[in-house]
Amino acid sequence: SQQGEEDPQALSIQEGENATMNCSYKTSINNLQWYRQNSGRGLVHLILIRSNEREKHSGRLRVTLDTSKKSSSLLITASRAADTASYFCATASSGGSYIPTFGRGTSLIVHP
Amino acid sequence: DTGVSQNPRHKITKRGQNVTFRCDPISEHNRLYWYRQTLGQGPEFLTYFQNEAQLEKSRLLSDRFSAERPKGSFSTLEIQRTEQGDSAMYLCASSFGDRGSGNTIYFGEGSWLTVV
Repeated sequence: SQQGEEDPQALSIQEGENATMNCSYKTSINNLQWYRQNSGRGLVHLILIRSNEREKHSGRLRVTLDTSKKSSSLLITASRAADTASYFCATASSGGSYIPTFGRGTSLIVHP
Repeated sequence: DTGVSQNPRHKITKRGQNVTFRCDPISEHNRLYWYRQTLGQGPEFLTYFQNEAQLEKSRLLSDRFSAERPKGSFSTLEIQRTEQGDSAMYLCASSFGDRGSGNTIYFGEGSWLTVV
């Protein structure tokens, strides 16, 4: 079973616009990680946010975490065509082996 | 640091044959994971090693699947008597940490398996 679920499943925007993807999960977590995957490739790690953190930034990426709502969001600002990819959140449940569990991902298309 | 390396990148095999994938994790990473991913889905956890010990296995890992990490470094994933339903990308990942800690996990490029 999949712990995290991304929303929307697909997102299509123009270059320069911002893209927001959401992730909801069910059980208490130790951390949440966001990954990017280009078609047919492996996963590239973007950001890890721990349960005691509320927001993290990395370049054009901003991740928020709301443990009371069991949700996280990934914001990509000033998107580029090269940001076209699938984005996944992975949650590691607290009290266990901290093995990340993935959702089905959000497919982002950025039109030039 | 050369990242997580997986071989072969692509494998086409006939149904019923055995296949083996190899994963070389990032050096000094003591934790190693195997995931499987099919088209349009997220990665699904298969199994996890802490050093050479296989600590968890998913129910997805049927008797035909076996994973080893003999010296706590590289790992192999073998699928015996392959079936068409085994066609997927097999992803290896590694991280560093104690059993009770959650740290960044780095993935390889994956090994594509096509069973014909």
